[in-house]
Amino acid sequence: DSGVTQTPKHLITATGQRVTLRCSPRSGDLSVYWYQQSLDQGLQFLIQYYNGEERAKGNILERFSAQQFPDLHSELNLSSLELGDSALYFCASSVRTSTDTQYFGPGTRLTVL
Amino acid sequence: QQPVQSPQAVILREGEDAVINCSSSKALYSVHWYRQKHGEAPVFLMILLKGGEQKGHEKISASFNEKKQQSSLYLTASQLSYSGTYFCGTEGKGGSEKLVFGKGTKLTVNP
Repeated sequence: DSGVTQTPKHLITATGQRVTLRCSPRSGDLSVYWYQQSLDQGLQFLIQYYNGEERAKGNILERFSAQQFPDLHSELNLSSLELGDSALYFCASSVRTSTDTQYFGPGTRLTVL
Repeated sequence: QQPVQSPQAVILREGEDAVINCSSSKALYSVHWYRQKHGEAPVFLMILLKGGEQKGHEKISASFNEKKQQSSLYLTASQLSYSGTYFCGTEGKGGSEKLVFGKGTKLTVNP
């Protein structure tokens, strides 16, 4: 158990819909990272937040957005969902920066039908 | 730019050694190694920051050649528990804090 929690575990929805994935980092960790893992693309970095502020951005689509709240939990919002958005979405947290160990949550499996 | 990992897959017998390589076309600030078992989240193995630095974790160690923009992961006397997919993640020079992962190397250790 990494100490990072993600909800929900599984999500099945239809194209065009919007969903919110939630992540609670390990106690004391200030950075939260979001990753997408699909069979053909592998593990892709989406975005990082540090203490409430956006720190780094990867290949995150405009239809996706994220935020980190004052209690440091984070949410990833995915809208206008397409079939290709079906993937495992991982959240990870670290104490401060990316050179600190990143601890991954169990992931949310999103299926878009 | 996505780092290139080699080999794509390797099958070992328990007790054998393996080397997994990770190469980037860009100058690197750090290299991270993770192992992911099927259906589970990636688990951190180690981070390398300096050129030529070698780090160890039980019987797993790694090196980072900053000049060649390469890192290698060494698995010695492999155990069944080493099976999984190994990913390297690279961070560009200047510490952009944006990890780019390779496609992974699938390691299978058989009894």
